[in-house]
Amino acid sequence: DAGVIQSPRHEVTEMGQEVTLRCKPISGHNSLFWYRQTMMRGLELLIYFNNNVPIDDSGMPEDRFSAKMPNASFSTLKIQPSEPRDSAVYFCASSKLAGGSYNEQFFGPGTRLTVL
Amino acid sequence: SQQGEEDPQALSIQEGENATMNCSYKTSINNLQWYRQNSGRGLVHLILIRSNEREKHSGRLRVTLDTSKKSSSLLITASRAADTASYFCATDNQAGTALIFGKGTTLSVSS
Repeated sequence: DAGVIQSPRHEVTEMGQEVTLRCKPISGHNSLFWYRQTMMRGLELLIYFNNNVPIDDSGMPEDRFSAKMPNASFSTLKIQPSEPRDSAVYFCASSKLAGGSYNEQFFGPGTRLTVL
Repeated sequence: SQQGEEDPQALSIQEGENATMNCSYKTSINNLQWYRQNSGRGLVHLILIRSNEREKHSGRLRVTLDTSKKSSSLLITASRAADTASYFCATDNQAGTALIFGKGTTLSVSS
């Protein structure tokens, strides 16, 4: 079983550029979560989907951030334009069902984003 | 906003010793989960304890939950160098539909 797949693993870009992070959840999982991890703020939930539908995007920091899940096997997180303060590790996770703490989440390896 | 807060922030022990990490949370919960994160990796689920459970074991891991004190502890017995990682507790968000993670305890086990 492949687990959650994220690409790219590392991204270095310049301020103002568009950045797209990609995630393939575990097959059969119905919920997908995007997190951002920094030393200062820890692990923050940005947005999550249930059955490809965005349920709560209140964690998305600004309009510069957007996320889509066009089908059950693919999701993107886009930052446009990027800023140095967006530098962080971005994780995607999936779970079989929705329902918060009732279900184990499976995390991808993360994308380390550096915005210069 | 974060629900759980781990304590201590960092812990250094010798191989063979036990490590105890604590988590306090603010509002009532359905369940509480613990995760481990090795350096440069994603989080890995360790154990889930339900709100009506007081203690749960998994291998060298022992988790307790005290809902009256809104706290949980994770005990790792006979620690190994491979246990070096950050450990996070996670509980429900307000809607009960997603997890909110604490900032974690960084455990360092030296041989």
